[in-house]
Amino acid sequence: GNSVTQMEGPVTLSEEAFLTINCTYTATGYPSLFWYVQYPGEGLQLLLKATKADDKGSNKGFEATYRKETTSFHLEKGSVQVSDSAVYFCALSDQFKTNAGNNRKLIWGLGTSLAVNP
Amino acid sequence: DAGVTQSPTHLIKTRGQQVTLRCSPKSGHDTVSWYQQALGQGPQFIFQYYEEEERQRGNFPDRFSGHQFPNYSSELNVNALLLGDSALYLCASSAPGGTGNTIYFGEGSWLTVV
Repeated sequence: GNSVTQMEGPVTLSEEAFLTINCTYTATGYPSLFWYVQYPGEGLQLLLKATKADDKGSNKGFEATYRKETTSFHLEKGSVQVSDSAVYFCALSDQFKTNAGNNRKLIWGLGTSLAVNP
Repeated sequence: DAGVTQSPTHLIKTRGQQVTLRCSPKSGHDTVSWYQQALGQGPQFIFQYYEEEERQRGNFPDRFSGHQFPNYSSELNVNALLLGDSALYLCASSAPGGTGNTIYFGEGSWLTVV
């Protein structure tokens, strides 16, 4: 079945350091790919997404490029801030057919905890 | 425009009890999914409701059941609670019209089973 693998955390960086969180996936077809962020004690917020190969999703200085050839969707940010401290989840959309049409659910990685120190 | 709203925010139950969690989807959304997120883990898909029917189910026992109402809101029911059911329960909603639409999440309901 479809799956997502993320690099294990925790990741600890100093402010203004460069961030990379690796994400690779296994899927049939061409799923949409997502990064979600979860701040302490909060729910999940969509950070960025890409819906087809070579798409680059970006938001709040974060970027990720959908790489079909390497089945990857690595998250990057050039200069992290203390406020970026959170858990980051990579996910893919898993489409399924129902008698009411097509729909999808998300399949998630385990999450990578990021701590940014001042 | 209110996003996905869930209630209650936190609750504590005893083993063997039953719990009902509630979700109101984002305005204009007709599909509701529930996920379980155990501590330190990624969310796991429980099931999805569309047109008041369960359309897809993840690998969860029958103790987990749900309902969707005509106004698209939804409930998640868990019977015979186990300690292992302690988790954050997330409701997600999406709009009709295509699988490319963004899925939005609520803040979640933290369930502790003691």
